[in-house]
Amino acid sequence: DTGVSQDPRHKITKRGQNVTFRCDPISEHNRLYWYRQTLGQGPEFLTYFQNEAQLEKSRLLSDRFSAERPKGSFSTLEIQRTEQGDSAMYLCASSLGHLPTEAFFGQGTRLTVV
Amino acid sequence: AQSVAQPEDQVNVAEGNPLTVKCTYSVSGNPYLFWYVQYPNRGLQFLLKYITGDNLVKGSYGFEAEFNKSQTSFHLKKPSALVSDSALYFCAVRDRQNQGGKLIFGQGTELSVKP
Repeated sequence: DTGVSQDPRHKITKRGQNVTFRCDPISEHNRLYWYRQTLGQGPEFLTYFQNEAQLEKSRLLSDRFSAERPKGSFSTLEIQRTEQGDSAMYLCASSLGHLPTEAFFGQGTRLTVV
Repeated sequence: AQSVAQPEDQVNVAEGNPLTVKCTYSVSGNPYLFWYVQYPNRGLQFLLKYITGDNLVKGSYGFEAEFNKSQTSFHLKKPSALVSDSALYFCAVRDRQNQGGKLIFGQGTELSVKP
C-alpha cells in the first residue's frame, strides 16, 4: 500500500498521560499536514511541514501539542498531559510540492481520553 | 475570516435520482476548491478539484461540481445516485495566497441514498 499510513488506528488513554501518533506520508510527497476532526465537524488544520521544516501552526495547537518530521520523512504528533477535550480523530495528509494538487489523507488515529 | 459552509447536514435521495450537495465559501481572491468523501472508519478520499478554467469539473465515481464565482459556490452533483454513494461529503477550500496549502473544510453533509 503506497498511501498515507497512520499508527495507531485507535488509542485510549487516561487523562494526564502523554500520547504519540505516527504518520508515514506518500514517499515522494514533501508536504505533510496534521488535522483534527471531532464528531459532526470537518477536519481542522493543526500544522504543516515542508520537508523537515514546520512552517505553519494553528492556534488550535496548544503548548501541549508538538509535531516533528525528522529528515523530512515520517512525522510524529505528541500530546502531553492529555485532556478529555483532546478526544478526536487525528488525520495526517500529504501532498506534492507547491502545485495545487490534492492532499491524500490517511485513515486517521482515533484518540479517546478517559 | 476564511470559511466554508455546507448548509445541509443531511441530504436524502432515492437511488437513480440526481443529487446535489451544496457548498459556499468565503475566501479572498480565487481559491482552489475541493470535494472529499469519507466512508465510516475511513480517511478522506479525494473526489474532484477546481483550479482554473472550465467551471464544470468532473471527478471520481461520476461526480461533478460547478464553480460559480458570483455566488461563491461549488456544489457537488451526480446525475444518478447509487446506494453506495451514501457517505459523508466535505467541501474544502485552499487560499491561493497561502503557500502552505492548508485546507479549510466545511462541516460536512451526510448523503443517504435509499433503494
